[in-house]
Amino acid sequence: DIPMTQSPSSLSASVGDRVTITCRASENIRIYLNWYQQKPGRAPKLLISGASNLESGVPARFSGGGSGTEFTLTISSLQPEDSATYFCQQSENMPWTFGQGTKVEIE
Amino acid sequence: QLQLQESGPGLVKPSETLSLTCTVSGGSISSFGHYWGWIRQPPGKGLEWIGTVYDSGHTYYNPPLKTRVTMSIDTSKSQFSLKLKSLTAADTAIYYCARGRNGGGPFDSWGQGTLVTVSS
Repeated sequence: DIPMTQSPSSLSASVGDRVTITCRASENIRIYLNWYQQKPGRAPKLLISGASNLESGVPARFSGGGSGTEFTLTISSLQPEDSATYFCQQSENMPWTFGQGTKVEIE
Repeated sequence: QLQLQESGPGLVKPSETLSLTCTVSGGSISSFGHYWGWIRQPPGKGLEWIGTVYDSGHTYYNPPLKTRVTMSIDTSKSQFSLKLKSLTAADTAIYYCARGRNGGGPFDSWGQGTLVTVSS
């Protein structure tokens, strides 16, 4: 399988800050990388697919980039409602695998 | 709007078999370009893909769980199901059903999840 590694594991930032989360794959997954947001007690919500395609209804302050083995999720201006855990997931090869998650807190 | 709803027992004894069903509404379980899957999350931990089933009945399972997992689909009832046998405490988790997009696509719709506790 393809292990996925996210960094950092957690971060704390202020409203309005630019926040970047990194996800690294152990091998080339081209652009088959997806990002999810999970709030406490809720199911994950798809934010970005195909490394950089923003899902309908997701605020434009979220963006994704990268290809191959290194990917980023950026929140351009952090908002209070962005407090959540973010997971990356590769869908290049089964078994689909997820990163361990990055918890984003608001200072 | 597509909705997925998991159903099944919240408490199962060790060594027994877990049976969960996901009911799909607001859309077709046979919709072109999609597949169906189960993902689990131990409390406070990360996400683990369990397996995937297509409307044809074809399945793929995560290798560590492959010997214990069976998934099936009933298009007439708009349901798909998961059976996981020989349960241990390590199987305690929130179990989610979800819809995936074909062609290496993501899980774009999720059920609310159901907590399954394995305990005697």
